[in-house]
Amino acid sequence: EAGVAQSPRYKIIEKRQSVAFWCNPISGHATLYWYQQILGQGPKLLIQFQNNGVVDDSQLPKDRFSAERLKGVDSTLKIQPAKLEDSAVYLCASSPGTGVDNEQFFGPGTRLTVL
Amino acid sequence: GDSVTQMEGPVTLSEEAFLTINCTYTATGYPSLFWYVQYPGEGLQLLLKATKADDKGSNKGFEATYRKETTSFHLEKGSVQVSDSAVYFCALKGYGGSQGNLIFGKGTKLSVKP
Repeated sequence: EAGVAQSPRYKIIEKRQSVAFWCNPISGHATLYWYQQILGQGPKLLIQFQNNGVVDDSQLPKDRFSAERLKGVDSTLKIQPAKLEDSAVYLCASSPGTGVDNEQFFGPGTRLTVL
Repeated sequence: GDSVTQMEGPVTLSEEAFLTINCTYTATGYPSLFWYVQYPGEGLQLLLKATKADDKGSNKGFEATYRKETTSFHLEKGSVQVSDSAVYFCALKGYGGSQGNLIFGKGTKLSVKP
């Protein structure tokens, strides 16, 4: 079974530029998550989708971050414009559902460096 | 709000040493508790979990017991190997303000020397 795919794996941009990350979840997984992991910290949830609807985006900085999952499958996360403090690893995860027995499977992440 | 606190790293051990990584939590109600592991260059993987008080999660020689009275979920392994070198994250999934999402600790980096 293929895991969660993310691209690119690495990205370096200058502040005020825009950037987009892509995630393809495990086939059949209804729930998709984007996390931000700053160096030395644990992952922090940015947004959660159930199929193509947003369940929780309370920690997403909506003035610069946006995300979509138009067909309920793959998803993109965009930052525009980027700030220095956005340097982090962006993790995508998917799960069959949201209950406690639904394990979240994580992709390898995209490491973003903002100069 | 809900939170997880785990011991600061890095932790360096010799092969076959005993491992404990402490984890305590603050949560409303009765959360489920997890340990995730992140090997170098790889994504997070679920190591073990416990969904109610006194449950013991175990996998690959690692164990953790859900202690409601001390709000703890310490990770232990009797004899570590070089291949256990990784970053370990304690996490909870609550039912209150976190809306059932995973809340992670800061991670503890483990290095095992041969």
